Amino acid sequence: DTEVTQTPKHLVMGMTNKKSLKCEQHMGHRAMYWYKQKAKKPPELMFVYSYEKLSINESVPSRFSPECPNSSLLNLHLHALQPEDSALYLCASSQPATTFEVSSYEQYFGPGTRLTVT
Amino acid sequence: AQTVTQSQPEMSVQEAETVTLSCTYDTSESDYYLFWYKQPPSRQMILVIRQEAYKQQNATENRFSVNFQKAAKSFSLKISDSQLGDAAMYFCAYRSGRDTGNQFYFGTGTSLTVIP
Repeated sequence: DTEVTQTPKHLVMGMTNKKSLKCEQHMGHRAMYWYKQKAKKPPELMFVYSYEKLSINESVPSRFSPECPNSSLLNLHLHALQPEDSALYLCASSQPATTFEVSSYEQYFGPGTRLTVT
Repeated sequence: AQTVTQSQPEMSVQEAETVTLSCTYDTSESDYYLFWYKQPPSRQMILVIRQEAYKQQNATENRFSVNFQKAAKSFSLKISDSQLGDAAMYFCAYRSGRDTGNQFYFGTGTSLTVIP
């Protein structure tokens, strides 16, 4: 199973709402990622978790709050977002660099959550 | 941080023809991995092909092959017998073999159009 799932597929929220995005993988990957992507642009890294610990935060505003409850789940909590935060939010997973096995170093992506902030 | 450059924002190819997408990267490392990812209009990002830097042999996956030139830091993707389903954004990506931060670096992408 090489699947990363994300819920919801679409989300519309007002600037005062609180919502959460969810991501799940069962490939045994111990590195998980959140990316933000605008149309026709590359994914922009937001956060990386390695072994359930936050290892990279790319200076993301505090209105985005990540959480990694266990090795299979990754959440992104959203609060007081701005219209410019509207984008596709991608979750991904991979094996950490220290545990490479043959053919296991690539990154797998979920289908994304299309977020619109009104 | 590593940099990955895709100098062709847009490319087009006739159906059944061959097209080559370019990618260059900048690194001082010797141990790394390179990837081509495809993102069709439905937006699911999928892996097309990967290359280990320590391997001299170019990777191939069916109609997709790469030309990996390590000294030139070049990693181009060749798509043979192009099909309508190949129309997508293509992103080149780099990963260090030693990076404990586990970061992937992406190029700016090439939008490929396939003309029937």
